[in-house]
Amino acid sequence: NAGVTQTPKFRILKIGQSMTLQCTQDMNHNYMYWYRQDPGMGLKLIYYSVGAGITDKGEVPNGYNVSRSTTEDFPLRLELAAPSQTSVYFCASEPHGAKNIQYFGAGTRLSVL
Amino acid sequence: AQRVTQPEKLLSVFKGAPVELKCNYSYSGSPELFWYVQYSRQRLQLLLRHISRESIKGFTADLNKGETSFHLKKPFAQEEDSAMYYCAPNFGNEKLTFGTGTRLTIIP
Repeated sequence: NAGVTQTPKFRILKIGQSMTLQCTQDMNHNYMYWYRQDPGMGLKLIYYSVGAGITDKGEVPNGYNVSRSTTEDFPLRLELAAPSQTSVYFCASEPHGAKNIQYFGAGTRLSVL
Repeated sequence: AQRVTQPEKLLSVFKGAPVELKCNYSYSGSPELFWYVQYSRQRLQLLLRHISRESIKGFTADLNKGETSFHLKKPFAQEEDSAMYYCAPNFGNEKLTFGTGTRLTIIP
């Protein structure tokens, strides 16, 4: 049982490049989340999804896009990378009926130079 | 404004001593409160939630509505308690708001 899997673990981007952070879960959870964590800060919610085909903005969505075509996958897209997007990104999933009990991936450390 | 504060970035405690990790919040309603923990080389995971009134790994947390706090406590620290701890309230909008975290180090 893999749980929540994030790829890649590390990535360095140049300003203006684009990339997709992958997140997949094998627990059949309805809810999925993307957070970013800057040094010394708490996790900030970027986007979330309550099920396939449904996504919504969190606290800090600017510069990001998401899609949820299947229950398992919730990729996060950066279109024009900026230094302000240097951060650690966490994906999490949550089963229906277990509010706020979230299962996290290992994280993706992204640097934009 | 809704806000969660963990006033200590770092906390060092001797093994066997009591531990208290502070969490304060600003919210006019009744939040649901959670503590998440990240051990070294492990993923962030739920430690406990106030609604369950449970003790997990010897830790308890009581919601004090008067002081708007949800401090995490353990009477006797163990070396395996060394980790990063995050207080995470739900301020009624179904989402978690994470504090900045406290890094707890247990000194042998």
